[in-house]
Amino acid sequence: DQQVKQNSPSLSVQEGRISILNCDYTNSMFDYFLWYKKYPAEGPTFLISISSIKDKNEDGRFTVFLNKSAKHLSLHIVPSQPGDSAVYFCAASVSGGSYIPTFGRGTSLIVHP
Amino acid sequence: DVKVTQSSRYLVKRTGEKVFLECVQDMDHENMFWYRQDPGLGLRLIYFSYDVKMKEKGDIPEGYSVSREKKERFSLILESASTNQTSMYLCASSPGGRFYEQYFGPGTRLTVT
Repeated sequence: DQQVKQNSPSLSVQEGRISILNCDYTNSMFDYFLWYKKYPAEGPTFLISISSIKDKNEDGRFTVFLNKSAKHLSLHIVPSQPGDSAVYFCAASVSGGSYIPTFGRGTSLIVHP
Repeated sequence: DVKVTQSSRYLVKRTGEKVFLECVQDMDHENMFWYRQDPGLGLRLIYFSYDVKMKEKGDIPEGYSVSREKKERFSLILESASTNQTSMYLCASSPGGRFYEQYFGPGTRLTVT
């Protein structure tokens, strides 16, 4: 039973436009959420996170939105660049640090020049 | 800068062989993890360790074992490799009490023929 779902396996976007990657979760205990980015033949790297006490967190071109009532979060990339082409993993955890994040299956983003 | 290294980037083994995947981290992290990544299945936790000589099963431990004799090193062992263990294997480490703060190695692409 998937507790973290990324229902879109892939997304294709034109350079300069907005990319929106979605993630849903089912476990109400999750209160800390992360996005990782993975290039082929490399390990995932941390991108951005959000705590449930916030509904938005921004870092440069990357913004994560959290809708707790819908158990939904999204990652916005504006403007999208070809170098953003990668697999993006959503992960959910419980604050306090003693819960290993549960990862979604990933969304492959392709940004076309 | 945290560095997690894995002994091989690419490995080809035959069915039935014993396979060792090594991971070393240089940040004195208490926690270490082994995941496998398969297309459409995301990151799945095989085993993790929160201290030297301590290990815990993850979601898919069958067919694998681990060893952690030193704090900086975490080994994944495939006792008798099978073709369904062909995958990308990712090692990660995190500071004590912060499981969510994971730093990944570059991965080992294992092919079992």
